[in-house]
Order: sequence, then C-alpha cells, then structure tokens
Amino acid sequence: DQQVKQNSPSLSVQEGRISILNCDYTNSMFDYFLWYKKYPAEGPTFLISISSIKDKNEDGRFTVFLNKSAKHLSLHIVPSQPGDSAVYFCAASAPGSARQLTFGSGTQLTVLP
Amino acid sequence: NAGVTQTPKFQVLKTGQSMTLQCAQDMNHNSMYWYRQDPGMGLRLIYYSASEGTTDKGEVPNGYNVSRLNKREFSLRLESAAPSQTSVYFCASSEVGTSDETQYFGPGTRLLVL
Repeated sequence: DQQVKQNSPSLSVQEGRISILNCDYTNSMFDYFLWYKKYPAEGPTFLISISSIKDKNEDGRFTVFLNKSAKHLSLHIVPSQPGDSAVYFCAASAPGSARQLTFGSGTQLTVLP
Repeated sequence: NAGVTQTPKFQVLKTGQSMTLQCAQDMNHNSMYWYRQDPGMGLRLIYYSASEGTTDKGEVPNGYNVSRLNKREFSLRLESAAPSQTSVYFCASSEVGTSDETQYFGPGTRLLVL
C-alpha cells in the first residue's frame, strides 16, 4: 500500500518553460512534506519543504503547493534549466517516530535545451 | 564540514557473506536513518535511530541489524547476504525536534550480492 505516489515516472519540458511535478498521499497524519532531487550515483539532495499549516512555499525558481483536502502536492520549477534534469522524489512524514520519511517512487525530469 | 559520509562506495558480496556498512555525520544530529533504493522505487526505510542509544525498525528491516555506535556513527550489518539485498543503501541524519527537521543524505553504497 503506497502512502505516497508519484504517478508520472518521467516528464520532459523545454528549457525556459515550467516543470510541474505531482505527488499524492493517502495518510492524513502526514504534516510535513519535502522534495528531494537526485542525480545518478549521488545521494538525494534536499530541495524544498512545506508544513501542513501552509499551502505554498517558495525558494527561488522552486515553489511547492499543498492541497490538503485533495491530499496532493506539486513542485513547480520556473524557468526550467538543463541542470534541473534529475529524478525528483516527494516524501512525507508524520509527527513522532523520529520523523521517518515515506517516499514516492520518483519522477525523472528531463529539461531539453 | 563533510555532512554525511558512507563507506564503502561499492561492494560485491557472495551469498551468505556478511558485511557492515558505515555511516558518519558531522552535523551533531540526534537522529540517523538507513534506507535502501531499488530500481523504479523510492527509498524505503530499513532502520532508524531517534537518538543515541536507541534503534527501531522501519519498513523493511528483515535481514539487517544496526548499531548506533555514538552520536556520529550508525552502522548497518548484513549477517548473511542474499541476492534480494542487492541495492543502493543511503544513510541520512536529521535534528528532530527543532525548526529544521530536514533529513540530509550521504552519497550511498552500491551493494551487489551474487
């Protein structure tokens, strides 16, 4: 039973356009959500997070939106750059238990020059 | 400031052999974690340590043991490796209970069990 789902295994966008990566969750106890970026042969790198008390968080070109009623979050990258090409994982945690993370299966983003 | 370091980077084992994966963090974090990543899947939690002296099972603990040696170090042991344990293993750490509970990851250990 996947509690965090990323239904798009891959996404291709043109350089300069917007990339939108989506993530759905089922556990209503999740209150903290993160996006990680991963290049081949490297560990995941933290990108941006959002608490359930917010519905939007921005950091430069990256914005995460949270829709609690739909149990859905999305990551927007504007403008997309070739260096953004990587696998993006969304992750969620609930209070307690050392904030252990539950990950989605990832979306491979390819930004075409 | 190296963050989270893992050794070895790559290892080949035969079925039934044992090995220990090492992880260390220099961020003075209280919590540490071991994950595995398999093709087409996200990271799955094997074990975690909420604080020095405590360890708990995650989603996929079977076939593994852990030791929180001190605040900095958290090791993962395979007592009798199986081909199903072929994977990439990531260690992470975080400071739970503060304003920044983000988990920071090491570069990973690629393990091949023949």
